[in-house]
Amino acid sequence: GEDVEQSLFLSVREGDSSVINCTYTDSSSTYLYWYKQEPGAGLQLLTYIFSNMDMKQDQRLTVLLNKKDKHLSLRIADTQTGDSAIYFCADLNQAGTALIFGKGTTLSVSS
Amino acid sequence: GAVVSQHPSRVICKSGTSVKIECRSLDFQATTMFWYRQFPKKSLMLMATSNEGSKATYEQGVEKDKFLINHASLTLSTLTVTSAHPEDSSFYICSSQSVTEAFFGQGTRLTVV
Repeated sequence: GEDVEQSLFLSVREGDSSVINCTYTDSSSTYLYWYKQEPGAGLQLLTYIFSNMDMKQDQRLTVLLNKKDKHLSLRIADTQTGDSAIYFCADLNQAGTALIFGKGTTLSVSS
Repeated sequence: GAVVSQHPSRVICKSGTSVKIECRSLDFQATTMFWYRQFPKKSLMLMATSNEGSKATYEQGVEKDKFLINHASLTLSTLTVTSAHPEDSSFYICSSQSVTEAFFGQGTRLTVV
């Protein structure tokens, strides 16, 4: 079946850039997403990228997609303590009806 | 924008009892809602797809008799955990989505004691 994988932990210092990586198996993916979950809160959609794009930038967020290698990354510039959260990579399934999530990467930002 | 409201946010129940979780779409008609479960190691699993006016579609390995889903109207889908056991303790999230946008409920933390 379709699978999405990402590393579980990332620790950075305030002001540095954070890069969270994700790999997926579904070659027919049309959209890939990044979600953020703050402690005790629900999921928040951060950004998404269409599969025919290589890059998408939105303020401090940069999404890179390598469709050949099925690799997606999220770069957060000038990381702040408020960015500490769990970040989920997700892939729209073949039927286009539901999202397949990775296990989430816990980003810890120290001051 | 469209909002999905999930209730309750937290519930503690005794083993053997049933718990109902509601998911409401506030600004739009949701013909389809998705129910996810988040496991302790943070992976999110799609449990079922709830279709308005018809039976829900369950993912492999999810017991349909244990996790009853009802989508009786275009604004309300419910998940009932029947005869709850401690291993059902988890974070349950509902969602409605299009290809470009997803709307998530706030999630329900279920603890079975």
